[in-house]
Amino acid sequence: AQRVTQPEKLLSVFKGAPVELKCNYSYSGSPELFWYVQYSRQRLQLLLRHISRESIKGFTADLNKGETSFHLKKPFAQEEDSAMYYCALSGFDTGNQFYFGTGTSLTVIP
Amino acid sequence: EPEVTQTPSHQVTQMGQEVILRCVPISNHLYFYWYRQILGQKVEFLVSFYNNEISEKSEIFDDQFSVERPDGSNFTLKIRSTKLEDSAMYFCASSIGVSGNTIYFGEGSWLTVV
Repeated sequence: AQRVTQPEKLLSVFKGAPVELKCNYSYSGSPELFWYVQYSRQRLQLLLRHISRESIKGFTADLNKGETSFHLKKPFAQEEDSAMYYCALSGFDTGNQFYFGTGTSLTVIP
Repeated sequence: EPEVTQTPSHQVTQMGQEVILRCVPISNHLYFYWYRQILGQKVEFLVSFYNNEISEKSEIFDDQFSVERPDGSNFTLKIRSTKLEDSAMYFCASSIGVSGNTIYFGEGSWLTVV
């Protein structure tokens, strides 16, 4: 079974502080991991995917197969980072499906 | 940048009524999806569609749901007889290919069943 776990439903940090949104997964094969972001009243947008190994809006995420994690990190949070963040998994065995975590609501306090 | 577009953005309907949610996927994409997000809950997969037929569907996608690609651009989700528990945000999405490809989402259609 494929499972994505985001243990924190809510996360608040001060502006300028580091932020880490946790994501753990359970998957028997080689997964593709993604982070999607949903700003208030907007669509889900791709933030980054692990295979591209890029940094978007200062966010990075490293796939740790040993810990089965794909935590999202940013060294200095900005107010505009306040949003809902979803970790998602896809893979050969999932066919066309993405499996989403329950999401973490990030609030950056000015 | 091309986007997935959805209409309506918000619809209120009475229980038992039929609802059609419309989507225009990105033009060169071949795979289309519907996801649902009940308020306060996670995004859930409903159905995927490829080559004019359903390729996968979840347990949520029961007989009251159907999808159609009536022409070369639209992709619709029909709920035949809405129930209160169908109230949710419905997201259409599309992708170029299968597993591992990025899925692009529309802004969602918020359905309220009263």
